[in-house]
Amino acid sequence: GENVEQHPSTLSVQEGDSAVIKCTYSDSASNYFPWYKQELGKRPQLIIDIRSNVGEKKDQRIAVTLNKTAKHFSLHITETQPEDSAVYFCAASRLSNTGKLIFGQGTTLQVKP
Amino acid sequence: EAGVTQFPSHSVIEKGQTVTLRCDPISGHDNLYWYRRVMGKEIKFLLHFVKESKQDESGMPNNRFLAERTGGTYSTLKVQPAELEDSGVYFCASSQDREKLFFGSGTQLSVL
Repeated sequence: GENVEQHPSTLSVQEGDSAVIKCTYSDSASNYFPWYKQELGKRPQLIIDIRSNVGEKKDQRIAVTLNKTAKHFSLHITETQPEDSAVYFCAASRLSNTGKLIFGQGTTLQVKP
Repeated sequence: EAGVTQFPSHSVIEKGQTVTLRCDPISGHDNLYWYRRVMGKEIKFLLHFVKESKQDESGMPNNRFLAERTGGTYSTLKVQPAELEDSGVYFCASSQDREKLFFGSGTQLSVL
């Protein structure tokens, strides 16, 4: 069935360093890839997304890259800050479908001051 | 703009009991989704409503789970009877365009 593999499950970095989270999807028809951030005790929030017709998208310190051939996509956070500490989820879906998201297992990012 | 609201935030019940979770989507969002995260694993899709109609319920685990969306507004998810493996965080999300989903804070369900 459809699945998304996400790595690493935990990531600890020093403030100011970069963090990279990687995901691999199985459904070659997937064409929309959002990333959600869930801070402790709060709701998952969309932080960035990318469609399959784009290879890279950037929003300030956050960027996402997509390799359709390899079915890989990654989240890059530069100049990390303590407030970046959270659980990050990648997801994949077919926009022509119901909007159903297939999520990865989540990455717990800890940014040490 | 009010976000997606879920009640209760926590529920602790015994095996065999019934629990009903409620979700109030963002006003005007026809699409409403239920997801579940069990034991720190991935967030898994349960079902999708468009207004009051079920569009996709392929993720519902079994017939102990019943979801409704009366009048196309709020939705309820009932688990009857609850089993230990039903424990987890139940998320509701709503969307206007089936692309950007807005999530609620979730209901932490513990079945003892």
